[in-house]
Amino acid sequence: EAGVAQSPRYKIIEKRQSVAFWCNPISGHATLYWYQQILGQGPKLLIQFQNNGVVDDSQLPKDRFSAERLKGVDSTLKIQPAKLEDSAVYLCASSPGTGGNQPQHFGDGTRLSIL
Amino acid sequence: SQKIEQNSEALNIQEGKTATLTCNYTNYSPAYLQWYRQDPGRGPVFLLLIRENEKEKRKERLKVTFDTTLKQSLFHITASQPADSATYLCALGGLTGGGNKLTFGTGTQLKVEL
Repeated sequence: EAGVAQSPRYKIIEKRQSVAFWCNPISGHATLYWYQQILGQGPKLLIQFQNNGVVDDSQLPKDRFSAERLKGVDSTLKIQPAKLEDSAVYLCASSPGTGGNQPQHFGDGTRLSIL
Repeated sequence: SQKIEQNSEALNIQEGKTATLTCNYTNYSPAYLQWYRQDPGRGPVFLLLIRENEKEKRKERLKVTFDTTLKQSLFHITASQPADSATYLCALGGLTGGGNKLTFGTGTQLKVEL
């Protein structure tokens, strides 16, 4: 089966600019996650969708980050305006159902650099 | 405060030996724990899941233990190979009030030398 697709792979922007990332999960996967991974750290969950509804966005900085999952398939994550501390890899993951003990399948991420 | 601790320094071992990676946690009560492998520039890849009522899980050369009293999981790779070199992440799940989200540790880098 095709894996989780993310684009772009790399993005360089200046602070205060806006940026958007796109994720296409594995076909049929109900749950989609966006993580932020800062260099040397583990992934930190930003937002979790179940189909097209938000399950958890408690760690999403809502003053600058937004995400949507239209039609319960693809998802976009946006940052506006970007700050220097947003430099990180943004990972998208999906899992088949709603059970919490299921493995998550990750894409290879978008590496964001803020100048 | 809540913490997940993995060996912060890289673990270097010789090919053929058993690698043992540690995941300790404080002030968490996970219902399950997952281990992932991450190669440079790639996303994490799922390896094993162990539930709180399981002591040990095995998959090929991999073995994971889960001690809820010690609040610790050990991850073993037997007969290690250079291809096992990567960063290994533990992740806690089923946390109280956490729904089904995973909380990751910082990872341990493993280097297997010839």
